[in-house]
Amino acid sequence: EVQLVESGGGLIQPGGSLRLSCAASGSGFLVISNYMTWVRQTPGKALEWVSVIYSGGDTYYADSVKGRFTISTDSSKNTVYLQMNSLRAEDTAVYYCARDRYRGSGTYFDYWGQGTLVTVSS
Amino acid sequence: DIQMTQSPSSLSASVGDRVTITCRASQSISNYLNWYQDKPGKAPKLLIYAASTLQSGVPSRFSGSGFGTDFTLTISSLQAEDFATYYCQQSHTIPRTFGQGTKLDIK
Repeated sequence: EVQLVESGGGLIQPGGSLRLSCAASGSGFLVISNYMTWVRQTPGKALEWVSVIYSGGDTYYADSVKGRFTISTDSSKNTVYLQMNSLRAEDTAVYYCARDRYRGSGTYFDYWGQGTLVTVSS
Repeated sequence: DIQMTQSPSSLSASVGDRVTITCRASQSISNYLNWYQDKPGKAPKLLIYAASTLQSGVPSRFSGSGFGTDFTLTISSLQAEDFATYYCQQSHTIPRTFGQGTKLDIK
């Protein structure tokens, strides 16, 4: 069974930085061999895709975070990171990491972590 | 960006009812459409991928259909554990986008 465990959330002032981690384990699952994504859920409950890193290393971002957030992986720790800089109040959300599984007909988020809450407030 | 619009936004139903939720994409996405179930305090759960393929372990009362721009999620006979919020999501293009959600509650 694959497990994804996020950490690193908390209360941060506007303009600050946080780094979220998503540690993967189980069933020989390697983050570098998968597409890994971050999705956030705002207090109003909407789901918003944030970023993806492909197994080849290509990265993509939502316009709302482009230039401020950086996704990366560490194979030695089997962990995905989301470095978040210049945080804004509207970044307040629960952040989930998920596996973005590629099949012939697109991709889908099949494994999810439990989420970590980021609150941006002064 | 591809906009995903769900209807209705909320729905009241009873155990045993048949329920259908609709999702419309702002442009054709082939069958690159997924459905998730969301309950408070839990991570979203994948129900259906590629418009109509049931994820392993998901009860067969859930089904999906559609192609192009119009898609549906059907629950054939509602169970108590199905009261939740449902989201569609397209994987045709980056950025991946979700619908705004359909909250299904007990009548």
